[in-house]
Amino acid sequence: EVQLVQSGVEVKKPGESLRISCQGSGYTFINHWIGWVRQMPGKGLEWMGIVYPGDSDTRYSPSFQGQVILSVDKSISSAYLQWSSLKASDTGIYYCARILREVTGDAFDIWGRGTMVTVSS
Amino acid sequence: SYELTQPPSVSVSPGQTARITCSGDALPKQYAYWYQQKPGQAPVLVIYKDRERPSGIPERFSGSSSGTTATLTISGVQAEDEADYYCQSADSSATSPYVFGTGTKVTVL
Repeated sequence: EVQLVQSGVEVKKPGESLRISCQGSGYTFINHWIGWVRQMPGKGLEWMGIVYPGDSDTRYSPSFQGQVILSVDKSISSAYLQWSSLKASDTGIYYCARILREVTGDAFDIWGRGTMVTVSS
Repeated sequence: SYELTQPPSVSVSPGQTARITCSGDALPKQYAYWYQQKPGQAPVLVIYKDRERPSGIPERFSGSSSGTTATLTISGVQAEDEADYYCQSADSSATSPYVFGTGTKVTVL
């Protein structure tokens, strides 16, 4: 079964750092882009960026450029989203999702269940 | 960056047809994709490349695109179709290549 398994709930204070993870299984992880999507409480989906596990190539949304870092560890089929200094406005659910270009084009065809991040003093 | 605009809400009776539109200047050149999101769950891809349906998605879901508007149609709506629906597109020449629509809440009356 193709799946993306995300790390668990996080509760942090403003100014703290954080790294959340997304582990792929059931397919060749290094061959397909992974995207990250934010959903703030009660709001819609926002594209944050994508990373290619094969060579760690990254593309960021201008809204998130400089605010987060995307990375991968090919050896364990995992992608990461990290912050160096969290803000209350980073509170939300963060999804990772796969892009299977050769079949579904630029769609996010498989999604993780999301990681809820709460930033509060 | 470009935007994709959807109506905030659509209401439909069971068995009727729901149509959700997505408007954006890039759509004549780029494919539209559609996702269904139920409360507390991750989004699920229901249409890709304007009109293709992933395996496992019921035939009552269909997509089309003309000019600057893409449309998701749910024929014979069922209670389980009540959810938020998002369109998405991708334009590699744009500053922000991927964009999601504003989202539409479908209510089954």
